Amino acid sequence: QQQVKQSPQSLIVQKGGISIINCAYENTAFDYFPWYQQFPGKGPALLIAIRPDVSEKKEGRFTISFNKSAKQFSLHIMDSQPGDSATYFCAASMNYGGSQGNLIFGKGTKLSVKP
Amino acid sequence: SQTIHQWPATLVQPVGSPLSLECTVEGTSNPNLYWYRQAAGRGLQLLFYSVGIGQISSEVPQNLSASRPQDRQFILSSKKLLLSDSGFYLCAWSVGMGVDEKLFFGSGTQLSVL
Repeated sequence: QQQVKQSPQSLIVQKGGISIINCAYENTAFDYFPWYQQFPGKGPALLIAIRPDVSEKKEGRFTISFNKSAKQFSLHIMDSQPGDSATYFCAASMNYGGSQGNLIFGKGTKLSVKP
Repeated sequence: SQTIHQWPATLVQPVGSPLSLECTVEGTSNPNLYWYRQAAGRGLQLLFYSVGIGQISSEVPQNLSASRPQDRQFILSSKKLLLSDSGFYLCAWSVGMGVDEKLFFGSGTQLSVL
């Protein structure tokens, strides 16, 4: 029930295309859903996050779509660029004890954007 | 601005040797601090987190331990490393509460136990 299932494991997209990464969760107590971007040899960096009271959040070319009833959320990267090539992690957590840092991460999606 | 320092970047240790990884945060006070381990194909696993000096919570039973001797210092240790301890170790910090909390990661330590 604590798992976050992420797919696909790897993704190859042509430059200018749309990259879509999906995640699903079971625990309805989760109330925070961030996405992290990680380049090789670096730590992950927060990309965008969403709360369950909205169905979509957009920041530049990155959009999170959230389906509360289906317990699914996805990351869409519009106009994908070679510089977007990285590993993307979805995560979920619930607020207890005042700390949101007990994130449950998906296993990651390695995105390659071909020029 | 806040920065997080984690060292060393890479480490090769023999089985049975001790381990000490250090992480410090600058530019903030009383941060929440975390140690994660990342294994290939297995995502990020939370090992320890701390909400204050001397306050450590362990998420996964193992032969690793963590300490927070100062407000902005977090140390990951082991008395005797196992082969299975190999991985990419990440320190992270956060401020804020609830859904406004953001997690910031260090650059990681690649540990190889041989």
